[in-house]
Parts: sequence; C-alpha cells; structure tokens
Amino acid sequence: EAGVAQSPRYKIIEKRQSVAFWCNPISGHATLYWYQQILGQGPKLLIQFQNNGVVDDSQLPKDRFSAERLKGVDSTLKIQPAKLEDSAVYLCASSLVSNEQYFGPGTRLTVT
Amino acid sequence: AQSVSQHNHHVILSEAASLELGCNYSYGGTVNLFWYVQYPGQHLQLLLKYFSGDPLVKGIKGFEAEFIKSKFSFNLRKPSVQWSDTAEYFCAVNNQGGKLIFGQGTELSVKP
Repeated sequence: EAGVAQSPRYKIIEKRQSVAFWCNPISGHATLYWYQQILGQGPKLLIQFQNNGVVDDSQLPKDRFSAERLKGVDSTLKIQPAKLEDSAVYLCASSLVSNEQYFGPGTRLTVT
Repeated sequence: AQSVSQHNHHVILSEAASLELGCNYSYGGTVNLFWYVQYPGQHLQLLLKYFSGDPLVKGIKGFEAEFIKSKFSFNLRKPSVQWSDTAEYFCAVNNQGGKLIFGQGTELSVKP
C-alpha cells in the first residue's frame, strides 16, 4: 500500500512570503492531520480533518495559517505571510481509525 | 492539559547494551500510548502501541514497552541494541480518538 505523500520535500523562502504544502493521504483514510515539528521538539498538531470537515484546529495560528481538504482526499496547508519562527518540518499523517496514524516524509521549511 | 515527558534528550550506547527510554504522561482518563521511531532520513514510523489489555506490549525489531498506570509511564525497552537502532524515538499519547500529544523525543546513538 502506498504511504502518505507530501510535496515539496524542502522549501526555502524569505519572511513575509507565502508557501503551500500538499499532502495525499493513504487511500481510504478518512482522517488527515497536519503537524508542525520544530527542531528539537516533538510534532505538534496544527489541524485535524475528518473527511473534509475540520475536527480540531485549536493550535493553528489562523492569522497566517490556513488549510483545506477538498473532496475529503488531498489537503493543502498554507502560510501567508511566513515568519522566521515558522521554520520547521511540516508533517502530514492519515488514519483509517483515529488511533493509528501513518506519517508522510514531511516538508522541511526554512524561512530566512 | 495533556503533556508527555521523555526523560532523556540524547542517549549513547554501545552495541549489545540494554536500552530503556523513559516516558511519562499527564492525563487522568483512559489513554492510548504509542512509541514512534524516526530513522535518519526517514519518516516517523509506529514502533508499538498500547490500547488496552496486557500492559507489556511488543513491537517491531525486538522493542517492547510496559504501561504502568499508577506511574503514568510507558517506558520503551530493548535487551540488546544494534547500530541500526540509531534513531530518534518519540513517545505519544491520545485520549481515544483525540489528538496525539508527543514528547520532545530522545535521540539514540548506538556505537558499533
């Protein structure tokens, strides 16, 4: 079975620019998650989707971050405008049942 | 709020040494517990999980973990580590369908 796909794998932008990340979950997985992993820390949930509805976005900085999951499959996470502290790895995960999540390779974002 | 604490940030062992990585969590209700591993250059992978039943769970590659409810702990163990176990290990907790809360991770370096 194919895993969670993410692109791009690496992105370097200047502060105040915008950036978007894409995630394709495992086929049939209804739940999709975006995590932010800052260097030296564990992943932190940004947003959780169940099909195309938002379940939890309590830790998403909504003034600059947005995410959508059209048609309940692929998802995009956008940052606009980016700040230096947004430098991190952005992980996408999906699950069939909410207790077991499968992670993608992540997108490493560097904001200069 | 839920939190997860991993006792060691970096552990260095020689091959064949025994391993124990500590994990404590704070949450009063029923929890699901996980250990994830991230090998160099690879994505997060599930090592083992505990939902209910036997508190001693076995995972892949000879790892096991013991859930001690009274101590709010879920320590990871392996009797004899190999160089290929060099990786970062994350403990995570969720309250049955809720978001995963990760510890800060423990980097394990195994000397050949």
